[in-house]
Order: sequence, then structure tokens, then C-alpha cells
Amino acid sequence: AQSVTQLGSHVSVSEGALVLLRCNYSSSVPPYLFWYVQYPNQGLQLLLKYTTGATLVKGINGFEAEFKKSETSFHLTKPSAHMSDAAEYFCAVSDRYKLSFGAGTTVTVRA
Amino acid sequence: DVKVTQSSRYLVKRTGEKVFLECVQDMDHENMFWYRQDPGLGLRLIYFSYDVKMKEKGDIPEGYSVSREKKERFSLILESASTNQTSMYLCASSPPGAKNIQYFGAGTRLSVL
Repeated sequence: AQSVTQLGSHVSVSEGALVLLRCNYSSSVPPYLFWYVQYPNQGLQLLLKYTTGATLVKGINGFEAEFKKSETSFHLTKPSAHMSDAAEYFCAVSDRYKLSFGAGTTVTVRA
Repeated sequence: DVKVTQSSRYLVKRTGEKVFLECVQDMDHENMFWYRQDPGLGLRLIYFSYDVKMKEKGDIPEGYSVSREKKERFSLILESASTNQTSMYLCASSPPGAKNIQYFGAGTRLSVL
């Protein structure tokens, strides 16, 4: 079975500071990995995904993530946080049909 | 743009009631999914369907059933609602294949009193 673990349920950053959200996965096959974001009172939307090829993946809103097979990690970063980045972020791993999600990390941004 | 529409944003039901949550997608996607979202637990898969009239149990199917009579519509049924089914319910759809993005509806917040 595939699974992901997100380290840290809450992250607080200052506006303009680096955002780093950690995700480690477990998979018996080469994984397909995703980061989703959920803004208040909304559904989830895709930030970025890794399937094959380049291990550094760029997504929307200035986010990027790096797939590191040796560390079984897929951490999400953004160099400079903006107030609009306040949301909940979910890492997910895919098998043939379905996604398995992490517990989520809530990001708050301090002015 | 893909649109996944859930019929209700908020629902309040009584214990023992039969509850229907409806989801419609407009992109002719084969796969559809129902999740529940609880704080600290992330999203957990209840049921999914990869074709009309086909369904598969997810990780937490107990107390739920589903129906998919048409490709665009996937219904989640709580046969006899209980207070522990108070949660946010999210529907999603995707084209076939593990690489493919799931598109989510806005969610239905269900309260069972």
C-alpha cells in the first residue's frame, strides 16, 4: 500500500519568508506524487505533480517541489510567502486508481 | 475548465435519516470518488467508481453506499445517518490513469444531530 506522511500539522511564516512543507512517501512502485491546496471553504486544487522526468517540479503561484527518491521525499517550497498563501496543503501519492492523502499542513502567514 | 458540482454546501440531518449527497461532473471523466475530510486525518476515500454501474470500496466504506447510474453523476448514500458521520464530504473526478489529476468539488459539510 502507498502512503504519505506530512511532517507538521501547522506552519507559521512571515510574509516574504520561505515556505517549506515536508512530505515523505511510501510506495512499492515508482510513485506519482501530488500537492494540492485547499483555501477556506473551497475544494482542493492541484498545485503541482510529479510523474516521471525532471525531479524539480514547478507549480502554480510560485510553488515548487523536488522528488528525491533516495530520501522518499517530495517537499514543497516557495521562496517568498504571500498573505494569499494561507491555506491547507495536502501531499498525495497515486496508485492505479486512487490517491492516498497526507493529514494536511495548515499554513498561516504573519504580516 | 473542469467543473465538479456538489448539490449542497451545507446539510443538517437527524440521526437515522437516509441522506443523499449528489455530485455531477461535466468533463466526461470515467473515474469518480467520494472522500470525507476530518481535521488531522486528511482526506479518506470512501468509495470510487471507474465506470457506470461500477463501484469499489475505499478505505472507510462502512455506513455508506454509492450509486452511479450515469457517467456524469455519482451519489453517496448514508443509509441511516449517525453523529459520527458529521464531516466534510468531497467529490472528485478524473480521467483514467494514475498520473491524472483529480478535480474536486467545493464540498458538502454535513452535520448529523
